[in-house]
Amino acid sequence: SQQGEEDPQALSIQEGENATMNCSYKTSINNLQWYRQNSGRGLVHLILIRSNEREKHSGRLRVTLDTSKKSSSLLITASRAADTASYFCATSGTYKYIFGTGTRLKVLA
Amino acid sequence: AAGVIQSPRHLIKEKRETATLKCYPIPRHDTVYWYQQGPGQDPQFLISFYEKMQSDKGSIPDRFSAQQFSDYHSELNMSSLELGDSALYFCASSSSRGTTNTGELFFGEGSRLTVL
Repeated sequence: SQQGEEDPQALSIQEGENATMNCSYKTSINNLQWYRQNSGRGLVHLILIRSNEREKHSGRLRVTLDTSKKSSSLLITASRAADTASYFCATSGTYKYIFGTGTRLKVLA
Repeated sequence: AAGVIQSPRHLIKEKRETATLKCYPIPRHDTVYWYQQGPGQDPQFLISFYEKMQSDKGSIPDRFSAQQFSDYHSELNMSSLELGDSALYFCASSSSRGTTNTGELFFGEGSRLTVL
């Protein structure tokens, strides 16, 4: 990966449970973003957290950022079968966004 | 709302052939990005254009070239195709201007290239 590692690489949970995905990155950042990708489809932006923020919420999503550890986590609460997808973190430079390796989440109904 | 449009959606080529992918960004977006995603892999940054000028370059093979035209659409040209070029190719666009600058990328649905 051009970015770093995400863990776990795959996660399987029951509907209603929470899912936590972690991302590490290598460089200094202005912001970090999370994207979702359904199989074979384009990526969709979920949430952006700036480098001076530590936590951000959007609906069932909660993102944390620890710039001292160069890591971020994405928590999806009360998961649904429709949340089944791959989730990627991305850091943005001026004219490029670098993606992590992604976590494949499967939510079982 | 208009999204990023990519064509063709599917493309099958033989080794050593040439392929051209097209991307139409969201209107008024000033930056276009190209990514390559192999099976089970993360999207790999290839190249970007800001206001029709190449702005950054990633792991793009010398056999590939890209440009952005006056109407802001972009084309990725791939020559001497190899089996390993089989992948999903995504185009994305963003805006750096004022209130339309949300910092996010908007992706197209991708072009799936299969090299036989």
